[in-house]
Amino acid sequence: DSGVTQTPKHLITATGQRVTLRCSPRSGDLSVYWYQQSLDQGLQFLIQYYNGEERAKGNILERFSAQQFPDLHSELNLSSLELGDSALYFCASSARTGIYNEQFFGPGTRLTVL
Amino acid sequence: AQKITQTQPGMFVQEKEAVTLDCTYDTSDPSYGLFWYKQPSSGEMIFLIYQGSYDQQNATEGRYSLNFQKARKSANLVISASQLGDSAMYFCAMREGQGDYKLSFGAGTTVTVRA
Repeated sequence: DSGVTQTPKHLITATGQRVTLRCSPRSGDLSVYWYQQSLDQGLQFLIQYYNGEERAKGNILERFSAQQFPDLHSELNLSSLELGDSALYFCASSARTGIYNEQFFGPGTRLTVL
Repeated sequence: AQKITQTQPGMFVQEKEAVTLDCTYDTSDPSYGLFWYKQPSSGEMIFLIYQGSYDQQNATEGRYSLNFQKARKSANLVISASQLGDSAMYFCAMREGQGDYKLSFGAGTTVTVRA
């Protein structure tokens, strides 16, 4: 158990809908990262927050947004869902930013868009 | 350009034998970190081992060791005394010192341990 929690574990929805994925980082970790794992794209970085502020953006679609709240939990919002958004979405946390801090991953949310 | 390359899509290994998973990376940044993660069929990502670009010695964690060859830009993972529970997908990842510190992942290598 990495200490990172993600809810829900599974999510099935229809095209055009909007969903919210939730992540609670390990206790004390200030940095939260979101990744998407799909069969065709592999594991891709989406976005990073550090202590409530957006720190970096990766291959995140404009239909997706995220935020980190004062209690450090984070939410990833996916809207106008398409079939291609079906993927495993991971949240990871680390104590600080920087290359020497390993990221601990949550169990993931498996999103299926029908 | 691909930052992390894992050329072995799948490997079979006999129980109790060692297996080496290849990983090459591409960066011009002198400061970087290399990571290996394990993803069992259940889906979670498990951190295994870390090597910093300035580390003089190869990293080891239990049965996992990282064969770091900086000049060749390779960071191969060696799993010794394979166990059935080692059957999983293994990802090599890199974080660079400049920028956003995100992890860039390779495509992964599936390891199947045979009894």
